[in-house]
Amino acid sequence: DPKIIQKPKYLVAVTGSEKILICEQYLGHNAMYWYRQSAKKPLEFMFSYSYQKLMDNQTASSRFQPQSSKKNHLDLQITALKPDDSATYFCASSQDTGGYEQYFGPGTRLTVL
Amino acid sequence: GDQVEQSPSALSLHEGTGSALRCNFTTTMRAVQWFRKNSRGSLINLFYLASGTKENGRLKSAFDSKERYSTLHIRDAQLEDSGTYFCAAGTGGYKVVFGSGTRLLVSP
Repeated sequence: DPKIIQKPKYLVAVTGSEKILICEQYLGHNAMYWYRQSAKKPLEFMFSYSYQKLMDNQTASSRFQPQSSKKNHLDLQITALKPDDSATYFCASSQDTGGYEQYFGPGTRLTVL
Repeated sequence: GDQVEQSPSALSLHEGTGSALRCNFTTTMRAVQWFRKNSRGSLINLFYLASGTKENGRLKSAFDSKERYSTLHIRDAQLEDSGTYFCAAGTGGYKVVFGSGTRLLVSP
């Protein structure tokens, strides 16, 4: 059974619209993260949460807003979508922050037209 | 910022042979992870090291925090080893930094 679920797997959006990427982890972890991989670039860290609190934000744009309704959920809301937002977005989790091993979900591939 | 330089970017091996992938770090990292991206795009955890070496089957990884590098050795390569391998390292804070990946192709 998958331990980290991301929904949807594929997402197509029009410029200017808003989408929410879903992430749920069933590993009992306290820390969750979002990463992004654009074409031909390494995975880039976006956010980290610990016990539902934001710990680090490396995203320059306020159009990206994480939402944590439960400890094992960390959704990503993206507003005013742009073509440059096209990427695969990976959710990850670890036991805690501070250097623990991270486990990644299968990713959501977002295409903005 | 923290950088991870991964090499080679691409590697071709014949079945039964071996080679090594390497990641160099521009700062002292606390731990390193190695992943393989499978055909469905999922990241499969291979190793997590805070120091020393670990071995799992035909794979072996080493991490030297002081010398700022990590390696992943593959021996007796098999067709199913083909894929993209990534290292990722962190300073013990809230994130890890990924290398650019090594695309491995194993041929008969």
